[in-house]
Amino acid sequence: EPEVTQTPSHQVTQMGQEVILRCVPISNHLYFYWYRQILGQKVEFLVSFYNNEISEKSEIFDDQFSVERPDGSNFTLKIRSTKLEDSAMYFCASSVTGVNTEAFFGQGTRLTVV
Amino acid sequence: AQTVTQSQPEMSVQEAETVTLSCTYDTSESDYYLFWYKQPPSRQMILVIRQEAYKQQNATENRFSVNFQKAAKSFSLKISDSQLGDAAMYFCAYRSFNAGNNRKLIWGLGTSLAVNP
Repeated sequence: EPEVTQTPSHQVTQMGQEVILRCVPISNHLYFYWYRQILGQKVEFLVSFYNNEISEKSEIFDDQFSVERPDGSNFTLKIRSTKLEDSAMYFCASSVTGVNTEAFFGQGTRLTVV
Repeated sequence: AQTVTQSQPEMSVQEAETVTLSCTYDTSESDYYLFWYKQPPSRQMILVIRQEAYKQQNATENRFSVNFQKAAKSFSLKISDSQLGDAAMYFCAYRSFNAGNNRKLIWGLGTSLAVNP
């Protein structure tokens, strides 16, 4: 069964460093998303991506963040100059198209900023 | 803005029994989708069940069913004949219907369900 794959499963980084979280969406999906979940808090929407551009982003998704689909299969989230408060689970998701299709999620990357 | 509230941080149920998880939401929209996702220890978010707001009939998927009360903005999940594998975090989520290219999910805080043998 096709699935969304995220790597790494756990990333530890020094404050101020840049990290890239990687996702391989399901191959025929056209919509891609990043969400994050800070421990004990709600899952929060970060950004959605369609047709090689950002279709919506939240207030959280400021200049520190960027997304890219570099090669037609990977979908990456780059976090520049990481802060302690960036520590969270980051989930990638993808969906086919159309309003009534569900989003499939990856297993998440746990980012720890020290 | 839409919000989703899950007022039960933790629930427990005996194996083979039935449990109901609560979810309320707030929206001014008339058309939308509601979802229950399960997050087992493997951390992956797995869709359990989906409800379209324009449908009056409550969605059912095997042992999982919902009680959708649109006027009350309530969307509870009932798990029948609970199994040990049902132990997980359960998240209620909302998505607008007329969202164009924007299909973001708005999430509740989650309910941790324990299943006792």
